[in-house]
Amino acid sequence: GESVGLHLPTLSVQEGDNSIINCAYSNSASDYFIWYKQESGKGPQFIIDIRSNMDKRQGQRVTVLLNKTVKHLSLQIAATQPGDSAVYFCAESPNTGKLIFGQGTTLQVKP
Amino acid sequence: EAQVTQNPRYLITVTGKKLTVTCSQNMNHEYMSWYRQDPGLGLRQIYYSMNVEVTDKGDVPEGYKVSRKEKRNFPLILESPSPNQTSLYFCASSSYYTDRETQYFGPGTRLLVL
Repeated sequence: GESVGLHLPTLSVQEGDNSIINCAYSNSASDYFIWYKQESGKGPQFIIDIRSNMDKRQGQRVTVLLNKTVKHLSLQIAATQPGDSAVYFCAESPNTGKLIFGQGTTLQVKP
Repeated sequence: EAQVTQNPRYLITVTGKKLTVTCSQNMNHEYMSWYRQDPGLGLRQIYYSMNVEVTDKGDVPEGYKVSRKEKRNFPLILESPSPNQTSLYFCASSSYYTDRETQYFGPGTRLLVL
């Protein structure tokens, strides 16, 4: 079946370092990918997205990279801050009105 | 303020007692969806709706019903709740015709079925 997975359940980084969160997806038909951030006690919050006709997209302190050859998605966070501590989900959309989420990576930022 | 609201935020009930979790959005979004979130399983889609009177099953629809009589509301109904429906539920919405995959999530409803 369809699935989106993340490589590591937990990532611990030092404040100020860059973070890289990885995700592998399985549906070749997916043409849209999103990263969400979920803080404790809250719903997922949109961070950044990318369409399948792009390889890279940059936002404020965040960059998403898409490698369609190996079906890999990554989220890079520059100069990680304590406020970045959260669970990060990647999600794919096979253009059917559905979103398929990965299981999430918990980012822990050490002061 | 643009937002998705859910009520109640917390609910404890007993097996078999019908309940409804409400979801409302004020962004005039066409698309609305319900998810459940369980440890180790991530977010799984229960039902979604492309527009008023249009609903469709997600990945885990068993034991749930939805209705979409108005654009802003998308209630989730558990006719006969069971303990395996204990979970954290999220409602989400998006503009289907302009930016449909960018879903905005509500704060969540934590349900415990005894």
